Amino acid sequence: KAGVTQTPRYLIKTRGQQVTLSCSPISGHRSVSWYQQTPGQGLQFLFEYFSETQRNKGNFPGRFSGRQFSNSRSEMNVSTLELGDSALYLCASSLVRGVDTEAFFGQGTRLTVV
Amino acid sequence: SQQGEEDPQALSIQEGENATMNCSYKTSINNLQWYRQNSGRGLVHLILIRSNEREKHSGRLRVTLDTSKKSSSLLITASRAADTASYFCATEDYGNNRLAFGKGNQVVVIP
Repeated sequence: KAGVTQTPRYLIKTRGQQVTLSCSPISGHRSVSWYQQTPGQGLQFLFEYFSETQRNKGNFPGRFSGRQFSNSRSEMNVSTLELGDSALYLCASSLVRGVDTEAFFGQGTRLTVV
Repeated sequence: SQQGEEDPQALSIQEGENATMNCSYKTSINNLQWYRQNSGRGLVHLILIRSNEREKHSGRLRVTLDTSKKSSSLLITASRAADTASYFCATEDYGNNRLAFGKGNQVVVIP
């Protein structure tokens, strides 16, 4: 079956702009999580959605938001972009979460803010 | 904050040798998982070990978990050039729906 699909793969944005990233989970998976990966901070949890509800949120400012649709596809939005938002954004899907299940990751969206 | 902390950070070995990486964590966990990442791409799940398990094998991978020391190790036996990647441990905490990742180990296997 198809894996986790993230679009776009690469993005270049200017400071102050906003950006929307998309994630299509594996068919049947209801949990979608987002992570930010930077050389300095490593992999940091952004938020997790399950059945269109945000169940958990990491320590990121309110400029970072997300949502999940009824088909489990998820989007994350970053408003008022800053240079420090440049990162690889990874989406992971699971059947469920919190019950010893593995996460399947997409290839990520590489965001560069200039 | 980062839950796991791997040691060593970078490892360079010859093909055929074994590679060992360690990970420590701070809180009670449901499970600990190891992932591999090639060149800044997506993470690939390698193995999951539950908090009530002490050792697990999958192919050339062997994972141990010591909950009393809050540590885990990943052993890759008979390494291959294709094993060159970054390896991350991640813990899943009780009551949370998130993975807390360590900073990763970069492993280079020289053919």
